[in-house]
Amino acid sequence: SQQGEEDPQALSIQEGENATMNCSYKTSINNLQWYRQNSGRGLVHLILIRSNEREKHSGRLRVTLDTSKKSSSLLITASRAADTASYFCARTSYDKVIFGPGTSLSVIP
Amino acid sequence: DTEVTQTPKHLVMGMTNKKSLKCEQHMGHRAMYWYKQKAKKPPELMFVYSYEKLSINESVPSRFSPECPNSSLLNLHLHALQPEDSALYLCASSHNTMASGAFTDTQYFGPGTRLTVL
Repeated sequence: SQQGEEDPQALSIQEGENATMNCSYKTSINNLQWYRQNSGRGLVHLILIRSNEREKHSGRLRVTLDTSKKSSSLLITASRAADTASYFCARTSYDKVIFGPGTSLSVIP
Repeated sequence: DTEVTQTPKHLVMGMTNKKSLKCEQHMGHRAMYWYKQKAKKPPELMFVYSYEKLSINESVPSRFSPECPNSSLLNLHLHALQPEDSALYLCASSHNTMASGAFTDTQYFGPGTRLTVL
């Protein structure tokens, strides 16, 4: 599909563990963004990585981008119960923004 | 102020009703967006306004009518909706400078309006 894929669809980990989510896409991009959504609420922007960048960090978040493989990953280190949410990648080009299907993360205290 | 506000938070309407969703931002952003999100699905883009002009309509049925009265406000007028239109409607905004383009900026989302059509 045009959305591409995110995996895993659902992830359950213990507090303190690291969580890795992956995002693949099919068309060329200007940048790729990751968003978090708590249940039934608006999306919160986490991090943006441009197509000419390979890695970015923000606090406990690390995002990588491999344009040759058309994939990105989001790593959350030392997870907390408050990190429980759905995580979406959004592929953006000049005239399109497409959200992936998302990963539902549960962090167990 | 880095907030996008949406009213109402919840809306229940019948199929013959006319209602409106409102969105407001005071960040000086010149691009504003409406998304529809069904449960456990990603947001789907409906409309984009750039400098108060409709720039993208993603083939949305005419029972949804967007309006951008000024650079801070975005409305979505609803008329003769169907039960399958029940969803979370999200508004977002971004800088949309001419140099960066409409979709390359960070989007700031409102909390959404939970719409139920009976």
